[in-house]
Amino acid sequence: GQSLEQPSEVTAVEGAIVQINCTYQTSGFYGLSWYQQHDGGAPTFLSYNALDGLEETGRFSSFLSRSDSYGYLLLQELQMKDSASYFCAVRRAAGNKLTFGGGTRVLVKP
Amino acid sequence: GAVVSQHPSWVICKSGTSVKIECRSLDFQATTMFWYRQFPKQSLMLMATSNEGSKATYEQGVEKDKFLINHASLTLSTLTVTSAHPEDSSFYICSAFRDADGYTFGSGTRLTVV
Repeated sequence: GQSLEQPSEVTAVEGAIVQINCTYQTSGFYGLSWYQQHDGGAPTFLSYNALDGLEETGRFSSFLSRSDSYGYLLLQELQMKDSASYFCAVRRAAGNKLTFGGGTRVLVKP
Repeated sequence: GAVVSQHPSWVICKSGTSVKIECRSLDFQATTMFWYRQFPKQSLMLMATSNEGSKATYEQGVEKDKFLINHASLTLSTLTVTSAHPEDSSFYICSAFRDADGYTFGSGTRLTVV
């Protein structure tokens, strides 16, 4: 089966940096994605890593280590609007299915 | 970019009735669509994979007779919740996959069964 572990909640202040870790166990790993979801909304794509290393997209960066089955999402210069749930998700080779982690609720305080 | 339109955005229905949710890819052909269910403060759980022109494949534990999926064309997939009960109240989200764009999610449907 597949499983992804990420912290349930993180609280930080505006301007801070937050790192959300994700460890996964899966067969047929294809890549690790990150999504942001505000309450009542649909997931929004943030980043994708298929190969080891760091991907940077503005204030958000994502890292992957395939040998460690580990990745993280780095949120820099936190803003109030970044308060949301963040999900890591594994793309599996079989059927291109996307399996989500439990989600990390990020609360940004003034 | 790719856009997936999902309707309705919210629906309230009586227990025992059926509800149909539509997911449409607006500017591309999606051979594969996925249906997810999300309970409050929980993750997205994959329910089934919908492939155009063939039967949907359901994840373990998902009742295929209760959650009917039809993917009659390359741009439309529908999920029908049959004989809905209060425990089916949830947020249902579709997602279309295409190699060029990855996964594109619909805006979701909030189903409340009373």
